Amino acid sequence: QLVESGGGLVQPGGSLKLSCAASGFSLGGFPIDWVRQAPGKGLEWISYIQADSNTIYYADSVKGRFTISRDNAKNALYLQMNSLRADDSAVYYCVRDGGVAGEFASWGQGTLVTVSS
Amino acid sequence: SYVLTQPPSVAVAPGQTARITCGGSRVGQIGVHWYQQKPGQAPVLVIFDDTKRPPSGISERVAGSKSGTTATLTITRVEVGDEAEYYCHMWDSATQHHVLGEGTKLTVL
Repeated sequence: QLVESGGGLVQPGGSLKLSCAASGFSLGGFPIDWVRQAPGKGLEWISYIQADSNTIYYADSVKGRFTISRDNAKNALYLQMNSLRADDSAVYYCVRDGGVAGEFASWGQGTLVTVSS
Repeated sequence: SYVLTQPPSVAVAPGQTARITCGGSRVGQIGVHWYQQKPGQAPVLVIFDDTKRPPSGISERVAGSKSGTTATLTITRVEVGDEAEYYCHMWDSATQHHVLGEGTKLTVL
């Protein structure tokens, strides 16, 4: 099970750090992604981190503003979000890669980020 | 950026077959995955790598297929409980990005 935390209300231009904790399994063996969903909208992939953190990818919409990281010893994953904009408002999901063909095998329940003044 | 094209909506009567398509020029090159999302809930993987069902108890009424540049999610003997948003997904190696379709709302009439 994946559990996200750290969401909330933040002003435009502000920062927020999301966390994702795993229970019942070790996060360290899996690549992990962040996927977000704006209210009433579809799913948008935003970042990927390999199990050993050696490979990281970002969607163009967040590149240069967001930073993904992980601490396998703590069984945790993070998303540092800077220079937040109104269009970053969304539910953010932590997702475990299934390890076969990049599928999103297991999803957390999400944490809501609202960027507003 | 690379796009996966899904119809915005599909409507079928209970007991009928629903087919949801996902098109893209590179769909034929790599596995396509499908997710079901009900209102207020996180998405759930229902098909991965074109045709495989996860070991999490996904109904045998749900199947995936692919031909050329189009992947299809087929739900047979549709039930009211199948009403949801469905998304297709693939890894695009050309851009090193995951790509998700815009979603298809399945309505059970």
